[in-house]
Amino acid sequence: GNSVTQMEGPVTLSEEAFLTINCTYTATGYPSLFWYVQYPGEGLQLLLKATKADDKGSNKGFEATYRKETTSFHLEKGSVQVSDSAVYFCALSAPALTFGSGTRLQVQP
Amino acid sequence: NAGVTQTPKFQVLKTGQSMTLQCAQDMNHEYMSWYRQDPGMGLRLIHYSVGAGITDQGEVPNGYNVSRSTTEDFPLRLLSAAPSQTSVYFCASSYAGTGAINEQFFGPGTRLTVL
Repeated sequence: GNSVTQMEGPVTLSEEAFLTINCTYTATGYPSLFWYVQYPGEGLQLLLKATKADDKGSNKGFEATYRKETTSFHLEKGSVQVSDSAVYFCALSAPALTFGSGTRLQVQP
Repeated sequence: NAGVTQTPKFQVLKTGQSMTLQCAQDMNHEYMSWYRQDPGMGLRLIHYSVGAGITDQGEVPNGYNVSRSTTEDFPLRLLSAAPSQTSVYFCASSYAGTGAINEQFFGPGTRLTVL
């Protein structure tokens, strides 16, 4: 079946540090890939997505590239802010969403 | 647009009680789904629907029933609550295009505790 594996957290960084959250997937066919973000006490919001191989999704300074050869969709940001502190979920659709377990990011001033 | 709304926001049940979690969307989305979120386990799909009158099971359907009589509403029913159903429940909706699904919009969640 489909599955998504992402690095365990929490990830603790200082403000302006570089962020990478790893995500790999297993799926049949060609799923779309997503990153969702969940701020404390809120529901999930779509952060970015990519629908085919080599697509790069980007939003709010975050980026992720759909790598079919390595079945990966790693999330990156060049300079994190305290306001980026949240839980980040990698997901694939085929067609229902399959989520990773989430990675908590804590950014310290 | 209100987007995806869920009621109630919080609920405490005793073992064996029944209840219905409400979900509604005003975006005319065909696809609706229910997830539960447990610590360290991400979100797991309970049931989903690709249109009025059509429902299907997800990864963890046992103990839950759904129906889809209208495009707007997708209630989740717990017939006999158990402590293992203590969780945060999210409803989501999206357009159902061909191939991969489009962006899903999530409701704010219902935090359920079963004693």
